[in-house]
Amino acid sequence: NAGVTQTPKFQVLKTGQSMTLQCAQDMNHEYMSWYRQDPGMGLRLIHYSVGAGITDQGEVPNGYNVSRSTTEDFPLRLLSAAPSQTSVYFCASSSRLGSYEQYFGPGTRLTVT
Amino acid sequence: DAKTTQPTSMDCAEGRAANLPCNHSTISGNEYVYWYRQIHSQGPQYIIHGLKNNETNEMASLIITEDRKSSTLILPHATLRDTAVYYCIVTWYGTDKLIFGTGTRLQVFP
Repeated sequence: NAGVTQTPKFQVLKTGQSMTLQCAQDMNHEYMSWYRQDPGMGLRLIHYSVGAGITDQGEVPNGYNVSRSTTEDFPLRLLSAAPSQTSVYFCASSSRLGSYEQYFGPGTRLTVT
Repeated sequence: DAKTTQPTSMDCAEGRAANLPCNHSTISGNEYVYWYRQIHSQGPQYIIHGLKNNETNEMASLIITEDRKSSTLILPHATLRDTAVYYCIVTWYGTDKLIFGTGTRLQVFP
């Protein structure tokens, strides 16, 4: 299993540009989520999904959209990038069975200029 | 969700046990204690979780006080590769929303 994969690893955007951060998992996990991590801080939840077709907002959803058309993929869309969205973005997934431990991807480092 | 308090940083000599404390005085009866760690800038990694009994796995042990207001993560023989930020998270079992604090930065030295 590849686990949770994220692309790209690095991205630089100009203010106002849009882009999609990709996240995929091959563990057939129902739950997927997106977090952002700013320097020196813990992770904050942006959006999450408990299954295909179901998404909900986390702590810091403004400026981001998500959709979940398949179990495997959970892309995060930045509608109009702002410097405040400069951060490292992590995707995670977990099963609804067992210990509910979350598996995290390697992250995408985004810089908005 | 219950709030947790952890020391900002700790040091530990390689080969010694690392004991990382966490206070969660407002934990409710159905909330679990989870521990994750983040090595350098990688994605967080699950370590262990527990409700009220002590737990042990291949990575660590978790000791929860009888009143459940605090817990300690124990890495029995710390190695340099255990240098990381350790997060103590209290959450309802079965919830998927983790609330991360700033964690404890553990530095293991030779």
